[in-house]
Amino acid sequence: AQKVTQAQTEISVVEKEDVTLDCVYETRDTTYYLFWYKQPPSGELVFLIRRNSFDEQNEISGRYSWNFQKSTSSFNFTITASQVVDSAVYFCALSATTSGGSYIPTFGRGTSLIVHP
Amino acid sequence: NAGVTQTPKFQVLKTGQSMTLQCAQDMNHEYMSWYRQDPGMGLRLIHYSVGAGITDQGEVPNGYNVSRSTTEDFPLRLLSAAPSQTSVYFCASSYGVAGANVLTFGAGSRLTVL
Repeated sequence: AQKVTQAQTEISVVEKEDVTLDCVYETRDTTYYLFWYKQPPSGELVFLIRRNSFDEQNEISGRYSWNFQKSTSSFNFTITASQVVDSAVYFCALSATTSGGSYIPTFGRGTSLIVHP
Repeated sequence: NAGVTQTPKFQVLKTGQSMTLQCAQDMNHEYMSWYRQDPGMGLRLIHYSVGAGITDQGEVPNGYNVSRSTTEDFPLRLLSAAPSQTSVYFCASSYGVAGANVLTFGAGSRLTVL
């Protein structure tokens, strides 16, 4: 069975602080995919990044960076110099095979990030 | 560029009533799914479909029915609504069931069962 744990329910920071959102996953598959999605207050869900299990390179996109470590089964997300517009719920997701052979995504419970001006 | 369209956006039901949440996508996506979002529970998979005529249960299927007669449409039926089904429902689709596929979500449907 696959599982995603986002232990931080809510994080509150002041603008310009750096913040890291944790994601720990469980799967027995050797091939799997990890994702982060963002849900701003407007409610829609937006894709941020995808990583496959064979690519442990960290990724940086502007103020966003992602640290994937297979040794600790973690795929953490860091926002540098946070801004009020970063306030959202962030979901980590794992896509691994089901018994039928399909990849069905499993989501964590989400971390609500509140950035105060 | 409609993407994934969900209707209605808001609905209030009384216990025991039935209704259908509609989901349509125009991207020729094979995979479609329904999630419910509840406070503190994240997104939980209700049902999914890997192609027309094929559906399967997710994590929380009880009380819901689905069918997939066309590639484009994946309606979610509540046969006898219960207050526990008060939630925000999201339909999502992707090109296939390969693990790398990114989900495209609809805007959500907020359902209240009194």
